[in-house]
Amino acid sequence: NAGVTQTPKFRVLKTGQSMTLLCAQDMNHEYMYWYRQDPGMGLRLIHYSVGEGTTAKGEVPDGYNVSRLKKQNFLLGLESAAPSQTSVYFCASSSIQGNEQYFGPGTRLTVT
Amino acid sequence: GENVEQHPSTLSVQEGDSAVIKCTYSDSASNYFPWYKQELGKRPQLIIDIRSNVGEKKDQRIAVTLNKTAKHFSLHITETQPEDSAVYFCAASNEVTTDSWGKLQFGAGTQVVVTP
Repeated sequence: NAGVTQTPKFRVLKTGQSMTLLCAQDMNHEYMYWYRQDPGMGLRLIHYSVGEGTTAKGEVPDGYNVSRLKKQNFLLGLESAAPSQTSVYFCASSSIQGNEQYFGPGTRLTVT
Repeated sequence: GENVEQHPSTLSVQEGDSAVIKCTYSDSASNYFPWYKQELGKRPQLIIDIRSNVGEKKDQRIAVTLNKTAKHFSLHITETQPEDSAVYFCAASNEVTTDSWGKLQFGAGTQVVVTP
């Protein structure tokens, strides 16, 4: 039981490049989330999904897109990376039975 | 929407002393209040939570109190140890139901440093 995993762990992009971050969970959770963490700003919700095939915008969605084609996977895409997207990205999941969110190990992204 | 404020942003304590972190929330409909601990370079992990039908909850050296009237809740760590050094986040949410998925609104975090 791996819990929540994320790939890659680190990435450096140049402005304008694109990339996809992958989140996978093996706990059969319905809900999945993408957060970004910046110093002094806590965890801010980018997008979330309440089930396979559904996605919705969170607090800071601009510049990001998501997809949830399979229940266990939640993908976060950056179509044209900007330096303001330099951050640590965390994926999380939770079940409909409870509120606890389980986080992945994070992806450190630097955009130069 | 919900807004959560957390204070202080940094907290230095001597080993063995107590640490208290306070959070306020704005949405009176919030009824679930978790605390997450994030060690350096690691993922956030739930350490304790409280629901609005109770005023206090304890788990060994940590406790959380909730004042619904004033809309604030606090984390108390007693007999602090070096391994308590981390960033602590409070959050507020509605409980998960069939109609609500329980979006968490996080505070900005408190860096706790326990010095020997």
